[in-house]
Amino acid sequence: AQKVTQAQTEISVVEKEDVTLDCVYETRDTTYYLFWYKQPPSGELVFLIRRNSFDEQNEISGRYSWNFQKSTSSFNFTITASQVVDSAVYFCALSVSGYSTLTFGKGTMLLVSP
Amino acid sequence: GAGVSQTPSNKVTEKGKYVELRCDPISGHTALYWYRQSLGQGPEFLIYFQGTGAADDSGLPNDRFFAVRPEGSVSTLKIQRTERGDSAVYLCASSWGQGEGYEQYFGPGTRLTVT
Repeated sequence: AQKVTQAQTEISVVEKEDVTLDCVYETRDTTYYLFWYKQPPSGELVFLIRRNSFDEQNEISGRYSWNFQKSTSSFNFTITASQVVDSAVYFCALSVSGYSTLTFGKGTMLLVSP
Repeated sequence: GAGVSQTPSNKVTEKGKYVELRCDPISGHTALYWYRQSLGQGPEFLIYFQGTGAADDSGLPNDRFFAVRPEGSVSTLKIQRTERGDSAVYLCASSWGQGEGYEQYFGPGTRLTVT
């Protein structure tokens, strides 16, 4: 069975601080994909990134960066110079070979204050 | 282009009643998913369709829940004899194809409240 753990329930930062959201996953499959989604107060989940299990290169997109480490089964997400608009719940998710469905973590609520 | 749409956005019903929740996926997306999200939790998978057929319904909690996608586009999630424990946000998502690598695009959800 698959499992995604987001140990941080809620994080509060002040604008312009850097913040890292942790994600640890469990699976016995060697082929899998990891995702991050953002859920703003409006409620609609927004896709941020997808990584496959064979690509451990870190990725940067603007103020966002992702660190994938198979050795620790982690896929952490860092926001640099956070902004108020980053306030949302962030979910890490996993899908494994042969299955289209996503297994989500419980999410981390990020509050960025001015 | 238009995203995934869901109707109604909110539904309040009495315990024991029947409800239908509708999902209109992104045009051209062949795979369609239903998830349920309880307060403070991540979405949990219910069922997914590839085309008109249910490819995996292992997440449906019991036989009161049923979903259809008769023409391979719009889908309806049906809940019979609703219970208070069914209260949650029901999310629909679609993707270009099936398989573990496709990102899923989510709709705004239907908030179901059973009184």
